[in-house]
Amino acid sequence: KAGVTQTPRYLIKTRGQQVTLSCSPISGHRSVSWYQQTPGQGLQFLFEYFSETQRNKGNFPGRFSGRQFSNSRSEMNVSTLELGDSALYLCASSLGPVGYEQYFGPGTRLTVT
Amino acid sequence: KNEVEQSPQNLTAQEGEFITINCSYSVGISALHWLQQHPGGGIVSLFMLSSGKKKHGRLIATINIQEKHSSLHITASHPRDSAVYICAVEEETSGSRLTFGEGTQLTVNP
Repeated sequence: KAGVTQTPRYLIKTRGQQVTLSCSPISGHRSVSWYQQTPGQGLQFLFEYFSETQRNKGNFPGRFSGRQFSNSRSEMNVSTLELGDSALYLCASSLGPVGYEQYFGPGTRLTVT
Repeated sequence: KNEVEQSPQNLTAQEGEFITINCSYSVGISALHWLQQHPGGGIVSLFMLSSGKKKHGRLIATINIQEKHSSLHITASHPRDSAVYICAVEEETSGSRLTFGEGTQLTVNP
């Protein structure tokens, strides 16, 4: 069974631009969570989707948004990029929303210049 | 005070040593996860547990719900175990969103 895939793996953007990151979960998994990892803040929860509905959102500004499609694939969007958005963005998929092991993708490393 | 605290932050061991990493949390949880992150970023889920003890190969994870404490043990450590080990909890009131500890950098020398 293929693992969680994320595209692109690396991305360089300029301040003020917007970016869209994609996550394809393991086949059969309906829950996708997104996390941001930075050296200063560590790993932080962004949001979680289950069956195309956002179930949870972390403490991030409205510039961060996401969605999930009917095939469970998910995208996250960051608008008006700031230098501080430079981070590793990880998504994880699981069978369901609560009490299931989460399987992480390799991440997208975003650099904002 | 962080909701999830790990100790130690850094750990250096010699190959073959028994290693323990500790995790304490301050909130009610539905599950606790132990994760491993290698250089380059990839995260692997090692354990998810809500009570008792789990074992997988040389790795053992325990949790004491009453004391809000979990430990990850590595027996007969090997240089390939060198990685960052992260404790994360699913809070009872927050569904499956994970709250993470800061991680423990483990280096095992040959």
